[in-house]
Amino acid sequence: QIQLVQSGPELKKPGESVKISCEASGYSFTDYAMNWVKQAPGNGLKWMGWINTQTGKPTYGDDFTQRFVFSLETSANTTYLQINNLNIEDTATYFCTRSQGYFDFWGPGTMVTVSS
Amino acid sequence: NIVMTQSPKSMSISVGDRVTMNCRASRNVYNNIAWYQQKPGKSPKVLIYLASNRYTGVPDRFTGSGSGTDYTLTINSVQAEDAAFYYCQRIYISPRTFGGGTKLELK
Repeated sequence: QIQLVQSGPELKKPGESVKISCEASGYSFTDYAMNWVKQAPGNGLKWMGWINTQTGKPTYGDDFTQRFVFSLETSANTTYLQINNLNIEDTATYFCTRSQGYFDFWGPGTMVTVSS
Repeated sequence: NIVMTQSPKSMSISVGDRVTMNCRASRNVYNNIAWYQQKPGKSPKVLIYLASNRYTGVPDRFTGSGSGTDYTLTINSVQAEDAAFYYCQRIYISPRTFGGGTKLELK
C-alpha cells in the first residue's frame, strides 16, 4: 500500500537548521510530484511548494523562498525539507503530500518546535 | 496571488442534518478545486477533486459543486464522525492555495 513515512519530531533553537525526511513506498516515486504543507499550532494548512521528483526542480511558495530547501534522494524514494536559520514562527507540523493535481496521500506530519 | 475564502469559519450541526460550506476564490479557478477533511492530530484526507469528483472511498453523503469563483461542499445526513475541519484548495496550478478552513462541530 502507498505510504509516506516522515522523520520524527524535532526541537531546535532559533538560528539552527532542521532537515525533515519523507520516504515514499508502494508506488513509483518519480511518477508523482511531492508537496510540502505547513500547519502552525491552531492554524490552517499552508502550501509551501513542491518538488518535481523526475528532475529535482523545486518550486517554492511566496512565503518560502528564502530559508527553505526541497531536495531528493531518488535512490531512496525520499524527499527532504530543510529549514535554515529557524525562528519561533517556524514552529509547526510539516506534512509531505503526494500530488496528482490534488493531494491524495499525506505523511503523518513532522512536528518542529523552535524554542530558546 | 489567488485568495481562497471559506465560510462560515465554524458551524455546529446535529447528527442527521444537512450542512453546506462555501469556498470563494478571488478569481476564476475553472473547477480546479479540492476539498479536504482534517481531524485533530491527523493528516488531511481528500474528499472531492475538480470541484465535484468524489475521491475513492468517500461516502456519497459528501458532494461538491460550483463553478467559476464559488464552490460548495455539502454533507447530507451528517454523521458523528464528520466532526472535523474542512479545507478547500486550488489545485493543479501553483500557488496551490488553501482556504482558511471551516470547523464542523456536532451538537
